[in-house]
Amino acid sequence: AQSVTQLDSQVPVFEEAPVELRCNYSSSVSVYLFWYVQYPNQGLQLLLKYLSGSTLVKGINGFEAEFNKSQTSFHLRKPSVHISDTAEYFCAVSKYNFNKFYFGSGTKLNVKP
Amino acid sequence: NAGVTQTPKFRVLKTGQSMTLLCAQDMNHEYMYWYRQDPGMGLRLIHYSVGEGTTAKGEVPDGYNVSRLKKQNFLLGLESAAPSQTSVYFCASSYEGTGRLLNNEQFFGPGTRLTVL
Repeated sequence: AQSVTQLDSQVPVFEEAPVELRCNYSSSVSVYLFWYVQYPNQGLQLLLKYLSGSTLVKGINGFEAEFNKSQTSFHLRKPSVHISDTAEYFCAVSKYNFNKFYFGSGTKLNVKP
Repeated sequence: NAGVTQTPKFRVLKTGQSMTLLCAQDMNHEYMYWYRQDPGMGLRLIHYSVGEGTTAKGEVPDGYNVSRLKKQNFLLGLESAAPSQTSVYFCASSYEGTGRLLNNEQFFGPGTRLTVL
């Protein structure tokens, strides 16, 4: 069975500082990996995804993530955050050839001025 | 395109009442999903559908039923609401496909906030 762990439930950071949100997964088969963002009182929006190919994936709003198969991780990074990045971020995994997602518990990013 | 829409946006129920949440998508997606979101628990899959007329159980199906009579609609029913079903409910949809070329990004609706007293 798949599971997704987001160890940090909350990450406070000052504006223009770099940030890394951690995601680890467990799976015995190949997976697809996703990061979604949820702004207050809204649905989830896709930030980026890894399906295959280059392990460094670039997404919207300046975010990127690196797939590390040996460490089973897919950490999200941004070199300089803005106040508008304040939101909750969810890592998700889906199994190769099967369209069912498993979500992590989420990380709340709080960007302070 | 409206994408994925959900009705209603908010609802308050008393214990034992029933209700149906409606999800509609205009992207001709085969797959549709219902999730619930609770603090500190992320999103948990309730039921899903891989095509018109099909449904399947997810992680937390108890107390819910679903129907997919039309490809564009996916209904979530609560027959006898309980306070434990107080949550935010999200519907999502995605393309059909298999293998590495599958783009299985899920598109989410705005959510329904349900309170059961």
